[in-house]
Amino acid sequence: EIVMTQSPATLSVSPGERATLSCRASQSVSSNLAWYQQKPGQAPRLLIYGASTRATGIPARFSGSGSGTEFTLTISSLLSEDFAVYYCQQYENWPPLTFGGGTKVEIK
Amino acid sequence: EVQLLESGGGLVQPGGSLRLSCAASGFTFSNYAMSWVRQAPGKGLEWVSAIVGSGISTYYADSVKGRFTISRDNSKNTLYLQMNSLRVEDTAVYYCAKVTVAARPPYHFDYWGQGTLVTVSS
Repeated sequence: EIVMTQSPATLSVSPGERATLSCRASQSVSSNLAWYQQKPGQAPRLLIYGASTRATGIPARFSGSGSGTEFTLTISSLLSEDFAVYYCQQYENWPPLTFGGGTKVEIK
Repeated sequence: EVQLLESGGGLVQPGGSLRLSCAASGFTFSNYAMSWVRQAPGKGLEWVSAIVGSGISTYYADSVKGRFTISRDNSKNTLYLQMNSLRVEDTAVYYCAKVTVAARPPYHFDYWGQGTLVTVSS
């Protein structure tokens, strides 16, 4: 099973600032990585797949990069609606599909 | 508009059973793999099970293999999860999710239901 590790667990950022979230895989997942956003009481929302392809309707301020074992989600200029928990998920080697533990982006 | 509506959650004793349903609309259901993902209270996401569009192939997490069964009725646009021998650690919100790309394996999910809470407790 591929283990996904996200860091940091919590990221404190001021609105308008840049946020950089990391995700590391225990073995290569090529570019088979997705990112989701989840707000309290809501279902997850797909942001990125293929490590860098934005899902339909996702604003350009969200960008993904990386391949192999190291990945980054960047939010270029945080808006109030971006404060949420973010999860990475690999689909290179499954079952099982595996998620990271999440990074909470909170208001500084 | 794509909609996924789960139902069937509730309180059940350890060792009991529940059947979750997910009614889908707004897309050609049979063309898409579907999955169940759960989230224990205050915890992260855990993939549970997946099924391809035809229903021929199914996949399970080790934690539920042999206890849970995923199925679908394409004539009713409905996904199911039969959960038997439930354990306290199965307590979670269960989401159904639609795969992003038609006729592809259950890689990633672009639409999710609102979730249904399953509580396993004596």
